Amino acid sequence: DAMVIQNPRYQVTQFGKPVTLSCSQTLNHNVMYWYQQKSSQAPKLLFHYYDKDFNNEADTPDNFQSRRPNTSFCFLDIRSPGLGDAAMYLCATSRDLGRAEQFFGPGTRLTVL
Amino acid sequence: EDQVTQSPEALRLQEGESSSLNCSYTVSGLRGLFWYRQDPGKGPEFLFTLYSAGEEKEKERLKATLTKKESFLHITAPKPEDSATYLCAVQAGGGSNYKLTFGKGTLLTVNP
Repeated sequence: DAMVIQNPRYQVTQFGKPVTLSCSQTLNHNVMYWYQQKSSQAPKLLFHYYDKDFNNEADTPDNFQSRRPNTSFCFLDIRSPGLGDAAMYLCATSRDLGRAEQFFGPGTRLTVL
Repeated sequence: EDQVTQSPEALRLQEGESSSLNCSYTVSGLRGLFWYRQDPGKGPEFLFTLYSAGEEKEKERLKATLTKKESFLHITAPKPEDSATYLCAVQAGGGSNYKLTFGKGTLLTVNP
């Protein structure tokens, strides 16, 4: 089945220690997104890639970066995690921008000690 | 600024007791309204897209409807496996036409 895969499902890191989260997709979609979701809150868009074009949301902290080396993979790098960065990180894909459903992966739960 | 408000925040039903969840929105030029289901510790699962007022879509015990100001997710004769958080999201027209603005969700619990 075509799907969105995230690894790891659970990640524990120390305050200030860089961490990388991974997302891959077999849907061959053009767009990949990263969302942050804290407990009982709405998912919040951090950034997206349309093919190789990167678009950062205005309120995304500089501490968060992303890479998309090819169509299938996208990475979220948190350079110096703080306690406030503990959250569920969701990767999503869509066929195109505009009227296109976004399909989500299972998420990575990040804990910062 | 686009806004989505979902009510109630939490809803507890008995198995077989039908009800509706509400999603009110303000957006400049609605491009689409999306419903997702999210189980604890998992990513949102796509349910429906609605594009214009008057549109309705159904899937098993779920039916989504759309007006110019709100959407309803009707749940008919729910079962315990329908327990989840239901998220509503809107996509506006214009420059940020990729962006989904989510509500906080309604936590539905269906007791056997």
